[in-house]
Order: sequence, then structure tokens, then C-alpha cells
Amino acid sequence: EMQLVESGGGLVQPGGSLRLSCAASGFIFSSYEMNWVRQAPGKGLEWVSYINSGGNKKYYADSVEGRLTISRDNAKNSLYLQMNNLRAEDTAVYYCAKDSGSGATPFDIWGQGTMVTVSS
Amino acid sequence: DIQMTQSPSSLSASVGDRVTITCRASQGIGNYLAWYQQKPGKVPNLLIYAASTLQSGVPSRFSGSGSGTDFTLIISSLQPEDVATYYCQRYNSAPRTFGPGTKVEIK
Repeated sequence: EMQLVESGGGLVQPGGSLRLSCAASGFIFSSYEMNWVRQAPGKGLEWVSYINSGGNKKYYADSVEGRLTISRDNAKNSLYLQMNNLRAEDTAVYYCAKDSGSGATPFDIWGQGTMVTVSS
Repeated sequence: DIQMTQSPSSLSASVGDRVTITCRASQGIGNYLAWYQQKPGKVPNLLIYAASTLQSGVPSRFSGSGSGTDFTLIISSLQPEDVATYYCQRYNSAPRTFGPGTKVEIK
């Protein structure tokens, strides 16, 4: 069974840092592009970042550019999101999501999400 | 960046009703359009991709159509388990923007 499990969320003060992890299983992780998507409490889905299968192509939403960094370790079947200079508006559930194929494809597998709360 | 809009933002319909949700892209995106269902407290689930292709396991009462800038999700006969928020998403290039969502409730 294909599965994604996020971890690393928690409470952090404004300006602080946090590193999220996403552990993949049940599929060949190194073959798939991956994403982070977030959802603020009571709000809609917001795409945050993308990384290609090799880890050398990355894209970010304007709202996080320069503060959040996506990365992956294919040997460990893991995806990461380094979050720096956090703001209150970054408070959300963060999901990792797998592309269904290569190239431009939708997200067929989602993790359960990890909650990030930015507050003093 | 390409913006995605959805209408209505919410709707209430009776069991068995035909429900139509529309999604519009501010620029043409071909058929690189997906629909997701998110039930209350749950993770989003892929329903339709390539504008009209049903994801495996999704009931046939769901259908999608459109291309370019205008897209439609139809639930042919609304069921109680369809209570959810539905999101469209463009995935042809970054940013892979989601629409604001349409909340579907039972009347």
C-alpha cells in the first residue's frame, strides 16, 4: 500500500524554524515528483512547493519563497520541508502529496498531515 | 500567475439531485485540471484528472468536463456520503494552484 507519513509539526514562535519530514512507503519514491500542500484552519488548500524526482528542480508559492526549502533524500525515501522565519500566516496543516506520474500529473497519494502553529 | 475560481462557494441539495460545480482558470490550461474531494476532517482525495478521467475507485456518479479555461464537475445523483468540499486544481505548471473550494451539503 502506498503511504506517506508526515512528522515534525508543532508550536513555534514567530521568526522561528521547523523541519517537516514525510516518510514514503509502498512505491518507488525516487521515481516520483513530490509536493507540499497546506491548509490553514477552516480554509482551503494551498500548494506550497514542488520537487522533481532527482531533487534538482524546485518550485515555491510566492507566499513562502525564500523562507521554506523543499528537499528529498531518495536513499531514505523521505521528503523534507525546512521552514525558516515563520509567520503567523504559516499556521496550517501541512500535507505531503505524491504526483501520480511523471511530468504534469495530479496528486494521487496524500499524507495525513502535520500541524504547524506559529504563535507567541 | 494563473488564478483559479470556483462557483458556487457552497450549495445545499437534496439526496438524488444533480449537482454542478464550475471551475474557471484565468488563462488556458488545456485539460490539466483535477478535482479533489475533501470530507470533513479528512485528507483530500483525487476524484478526476485530465479534466474528465475518473480516478480508479471513484463512483461513476462523478463526472468532469471542459478544457482551456472552463471546467465542470457533476455529481449525477447526490448521496449523503458526498458531503464534502470540492477543489479544482491546475497542474500543468507551477504554481499548481487550487481553486477556493465548493462546500456541498445535504438539504
